Amino acid sequence: QKEVEQNSGPLSVPEGAIASLNCTYSDRGSQSFFWYRQYSGKSPELIMSIYSNGDKEDGRFTAQLNKASQYVSLLIRDSQPSDSATYLCAVKSGSYIPTFGRGTSLIVHP
Amino acid sequence: KAGVTQTPRYLIKTRGQQVTLSCSPISGHRSVSWYQQTPGQGLQFLFEYFSETQRNKGNFPGRFSGRQFSNSRSEMNVSTLELGDSALYLCASSTGEGERYFGPGTRLLVL
Repeated sequence: QKEVEQNSGPLSVPEGAIASLNCTYSDRGSQSFFWYRQYSGKSPELIMSIYSNGDKEDGRFTAQLNKASQYVSLLIRDSQPSDSATYLCAVKSGSYIPTFGRGTSLIVHP
Repeated sequence: KAGVTQTPRYLIKTRGQQVTLSCSPISGHRSVSWYQQTPGQGLQFLFEYFSETQRNKGNFPGRFSGRQFSNSRSEMNVSTLELGDSALYLCASSTGEGERYFGPGTRLLVL
């Protein structure tokens, strides 16, 4: 069974700091990796996708993928209170549906 | 481009009733997936439709069913509602690849 593990948190960081969110997965054949942000009471919103080893940057967000170690992480630079949300990691292999982790709750305090 | 729409947004039903939820995907997207989200279980996959065919199915009882129409709109039906069916039901649209774009969800409360 494909598994995606995330620390449920909450991860608490001060405003302006770097928030680091981690995700590990069990299927070595995984090829596509996604990060979603979900505000309380709202639906998940896709914020980044990554397919190759290394870093991918988009504004204040950087996704890092290490297939050998089977982990993917999301860094949020200059964290803002508006970044407070639950972050879901999703992993997909081949034609299978993406498997979602249960999410990490992030709290950015002023 | 308009996003994913789901109707209704909120629903209150009683045990034993049935419910039908509707989802309209992003224009051009042929894949629609349905998920159930509860605080205790997280996001759980129900089923996926692609070009009117069920392509994948999660581990839910037969009371949960769905279908997709030729215009890619999808419906899911839950029969004989149970208290434990109270949840946020999310529809996600995609081109058929990995990225999922979620609708606002239907919040179902079963009394």
